[in-house]
Amino acid sequence: NAGVTQTPKFRILKIGQSMTLQCTQDMNHNYMYWYRQDPGMGLKLIYYSVGAGITDKGEVPNGYNVSRSTTEDFPLRLELAAPSQTSVYFCAISGGNTIYFGEGSWLTVV
Amino acid sequence: AQSVTQLDSQVPVFEEAPVELRCNYSSSVSVYLFWYVQYPNQGLQLLLKYLSGSTLVESINGFEAEFNKSQTSFHLRKPSVHISDTAEYFCAVSKRSNDYKLSFGAGTTVTVRA
Repeated sequence: NAGVTQTPKFRILKIGQSMTLQCTQDMNHNYMYWYRQDPGMGLKLIYYSVGAGITDKGEVPNGYNVSRSTTEDFPLRLELAAPSQTSVYFCAISGGNTIYFGEGSWLTVV
Repeated sequence: AQSVTQLDSQVPVFEEAPVELRCNYSSSVSVYLFWYVQYPNQGLQLLLKYLSGSTLVESINGFEAEFNKSQTSFHLRKPSVHISDTAEYFCAVSKRSNDYKLSFGAGTTVTVRA
């Protein structure tokens, strides 16, 4: 997981609150991704970016927004938190035919 | 679009016994294939990947997987497991492109018992 830093590691949100999950990389890779992991369902792609200023939707983008103003940072924003967004969120980067994952952010919406 | 089916959700196995985790994929285009391991409360670590070349790929800790195009499979095997191999294992696929957008299977939980 070297090179990909996610914060916070744990967070409890109330329904309707907003928050931003931060993802920072120090490997200078163009491609960055956000996945969510739900029990028994593997990981699903939320959003991805192929470089600064360019983002696109993945499989499950509803309820989330992203931005990519720099190569290093790819924050994921939840505007109106819902219980269905309780999940583990992973940021990832790819370069050199390898995908690196962050340590994960555990989010609970109550 | 690509999809992955991991045929076993739970695999209990005794220490030093062999294990096989089955993975089948579906895709209309050529793919890259990956196996990841996740230990409790941790992120995903790459075990091995198939990009091209030899259809048998190996990891440094004794796992191997074989890409079978005709059967659209990428099964993971280890001839002798250790207690430390207890983890969840994910098979993933992406189409052959630079963006490596992964589609994951649901995961297989391996529990190694003494």
